[in-house]
Amino acid sequence: NAGVTQTPKFQVLKTGQSMTLQCAQDMNHNSMYWYRQDPGMGLRLIYYSASEGTTDKGEVPNGYNVSRLNKREFSLRLESAAPSQTSVYFCASSELAGSTDTQYFGPGTRLTVL
Amino acid sequence: GDSVTQMEGPVTLSEEAFLTINCTYTATGYPSLFWYVQYPGEGLQLLLKATKADDKGSNKGFEATYRKETTSFHLEKGSVQVSDSAVYFCAPLLSGAGSYQLTFGKGTKLSVIP
Repeated sequence: NAGVTQTPKFQVLKTGQSMTLQCAQDMNHNSMYWYRQDPGMGLRLIYYSASEGTTDKGEVPNGYNVSRLNKREFSLRLESAAPSQTSVYFCASSELAGSTDTQYFGPGTRLTVL
Repeated sequence: GDSVTQMEGPVTLSEEAFLTINCTYTATGYPSLFWYVQYPGEGLQLLLKATKADDKGSNKGFEATYRKETTSFHLEKGSVQVSDSAVYFCAPLLSGAGSYQLTFGKGTKLSVIP
């Protein structure tokens, strides 16, 4: 039981390049989330998927797109990376969005955009 | 709008010292309240939660009581250990953009020295 896994762990991009961050969970959870963590800012929600087939914007969606590929997988895409997107990205999952259910987090992806 | 304010760090304590990390929130109604912890190099994990007024959440020697009168959820531990060194996040479940989501405070970094 791996929980929530994320790939890659580290990535360096040049401004304007694109990339996709992958996330998968093996807990049969309905809801999945993407957050970014910046120094002194806590975690901010980028996008979430309450259930398979649905996605919704969070607090900071600009510059990102997401795909809920199936119940297990939720990817985050940067189409044209900018230095402001340098951050640590966390994927999380829970049984039910907007509830008291525990969110389980992956280990994170550290992204640097030059 | 709804928001959370958490005591800023960093906090440095000696082993066996008493810990308090303050957290207050602004919300319509009575949101469920959570503390998450992030150990070095890892993702976040749930530490404890309380879902209604006067509830006390507890785990690993940490406690927090839901105080609706003061809209607070302060984290306490009577005797910290070196292994408690981590970043702690207060996270109420707040309303925004038509849904309820965890809203993370900025985090408080705790360092415990022997």
